[in-house]
Amino acid sequence: GQQLNQSPQSMFIQEGEDVSMNCTSSSIFNTWLWYKQDPGEGPVLLIALYKAGELTSNGRLTAQFGITRKDSFLNISASIPSDVGIYFCAGQGFGNNFNKFYFGSGTKLNVKP
Amino acid sequence: DVKVTQSSRYLVKRTGEKVFLECVQDMDHENMFWYRQDPGLGLRLIYFSYDVKMKEKGDIPEGYSVSREKKERFSLILESASTNQTSMYLCASSLVLLHLFFGPGTRLTVL
Repeated sequence: GQQLNQSPQSMFIQEGEDVSMNCTSSSIFNTWLWYKQDPGEGPVLLIALYKAGELTSNGRLTAQFGITRKDSFLNISASIPSDVGIYFCAGQGFGNNFNKFYFGSGTKLNVKP
Repeated sequence: DVKVTQSSRYLVKRTGEKVFLECVQDMDHENMFWYRQDPGLGLRLIYFSYDVKMKEKGDIPEGYSVSREKKERFSLILESASTNQTSMYLCASSLVLLHLFFGPGTRLTVL
């Protein structure tokens, strides 16, 4: 299946710091999404991006759909302990692959109070 | 509040056993999915279904089968469990293809 390269794999930060993570692909995607998985739970959708260049915010979270359609980043500002979890990027395929969904390997975020 | 429930949070089975993982959603969604989650590999799609009695293979269907007899229920079957199927299994449903609602997961251990 399609490969999404997500980095970093894990992060250890202090409460209050800003966080940045990104996802890249060798193929064009139609849509980028970011999910968060709390410990012991299933992932929950945070942000969906539908157009190249789109910048969308959800509270302290900001995500952008790269202009080349092959990448996306997620920023978290002023991190708090409840931001702990695994963040997944996901992309919807383009053209003939429009009904295909691909997930990155996840970024595990640890926040030290 | 939308809900996807999975029959077990933790399951321990022996090699060669037939295993059923059940998933139920109460949102009247057409689309349902089974993923497995392994460290460093993210979420990999096993099977999905767009409608009752309809199923399509995902990226890693080998060793698995599925059943969707009713709209709200999607079952994952391991015909003969093996140790390499030890994993976290996540069920999801969606109305709009992109917005997946996930269940809490079943952590399966095969001894």
